Amino acid sequence: QSALTQPASMSGSPGQSITISCTGTSSDVGSYGLVSWYQHHPGKAPKLMIYEGFKRPSGVSNRFSGSKSGNTASLTISGLQAEDEADYYCCSYTLSNTFVFGTGTKVTVL
Amino acid sequence: QVTLRESGPALVKPTQTLTLTCTFSGFSLSTSEMCVSWIRQPPGKALEWLARIDWDNDKWYSTSLKTRLTISKDTSKNQVVLTMTNMDPVDTATYYCARTRPLSGGSYFDDWGQGTLVTVSS
Repeated sequence: QSALTQPASMSGSPGQSITISCTGTSSDVGSYGLVSWYQHHPGKAPKLMIYEGFKRPSGVSNRFSGSKSGNTASLTISGLQAEDEADYYCCSYTLSNTFVFGTGTKVTVL
Repeated sequence: QVTLRESGPALVKPTQTLTLTCTFSGFSLSTSEMCVSWIRQPPGKALEWLARIDWDNDKWYSTSLKTRLTISKDTSKNQVVLTMTNMDPVDTATYYCARTRPLSGGSYFDDWGQGTLVTVSS
């Protein structure tokens, strides 16, 4: 199972919006559509930001939103803030009843 | 409040078997739709899912590592154990356990432990 493809890095100024893509195949992202997104500050536990493609857990800012089209899922961060600077990983459930993570995207707030 | 904590050796030698324990609270693995996964992250690299055990004792493994992994649970102790055989320096990573929702529940990891760094070196 190959990792899902994400851009290695993205950046934006405070207040701007960025969209991180996550490209897989018909066996993962394009199958059940069960994509989740995680924010990871180095040295800390990853945090669930989006599940089932677009749902936000309680307590997660509505500046974070998710979507999916075909074999590609996306995470949009609106109104970028300094505390959003972190690594972001997508993850998909697969037709093999396993999980596959993305390659990770380092977000920098300029 | 859900908490998970990983424990195990910080250093293992090549060819040895690694045994990690995840001790959790705030939920029970005897409850329907509850699962626990192990996930790792080598230094500077991406997250990698390893294995999952379900409330009904179903077990699922990474395709590439399944021959080396065994996951088990002790419901009475609220613990999940992962063993990985024939350790190699490339297995050096921070190992996390995470509460996991199954397919019927959305398939995601909603609570994570802080992780434990395991270094493989002679």
